[in-house]
Amino acid sequence: QKEVEQNSGPLSVPEGAIASLNCTYSDRGSQSFFWYRQYSGKSPELIMFIYSNGDKEDGRFTAQLNKASQYVSLLIRDSQPSDSATYLCAVNNAGNMLTFGGGTRLMVKP
Amino acid sequence: GAVVSQHPSRVICKSGTSVKIECRSLDFQATTMFWYRQFPKQSLMLMATSNEGSKATYEQGVEKDKFLINHASLTLSTLTVTSAHPEDSSFYICSVLGTRGGDEQFFGPGTRLTVL
Repeated sequence: QKEVEQNSGPLSVPEGAIASLNCTYSDRGSQSFFWYRQYSGKSPELIMFIYSNGDKEDGRFTAQLNKASQYVSLLIRDSQPSDSATYLCAVNNAGNMLTFGGGTRLMVKP
Repeated sequence: GAVVSQHPSRVICKSGTSVKIECRSLDFQATTMFWYRQFPKQSLMLMATSNEGSKATYEQGVEKDKFLINHASLTLSTLTVTSAHPEDSSFYICSVLGTRGGDEQFFGPGTRLTVL
């Protein structure tokens, strides 16, 4: 069973702080990693993807991948109340099929 | 990215009836679409992979006779929930692969099904 694990939260951070979201995966052969944001009652929205070890930055978001530790994280700088949502980590194991973690609920307090 | 629509956005039906959900790729031709189901406070679970012009590939535990998938064109896939029961009430979401040629998926807005 290929698994993707996330802390369900809620993770509460004050406005302007850095939010750090973490994800571990079990399949060492995984190649592609994705972070989706899902607002309550809405479908997931892709915010970051990463394929190689190291950091990838896009605006306030930084994805970090460590394949040796089977660990991927998402940092959100200058967190805003509008960032409050559930963040889903997804891993592509094979054949373009994604396995999703359970999601971490982020709450950014003004 | 990719622009995906779903119809209807919300449907309420009686137990025993069938419900059809449409998923359309609006800005490019999608040979592959995916159907997911999400129960409240749970993550997305892949139900099936829909391939244009061929039979869908269902995940283990998903009844193919109950969840009929038809991918008749490069822009349209449909999911029909047959003989729906209250336990089929869920959020059904389709997705397509991005236009970039990578493996990122872009999701439709979802269909909320409630079976009474």
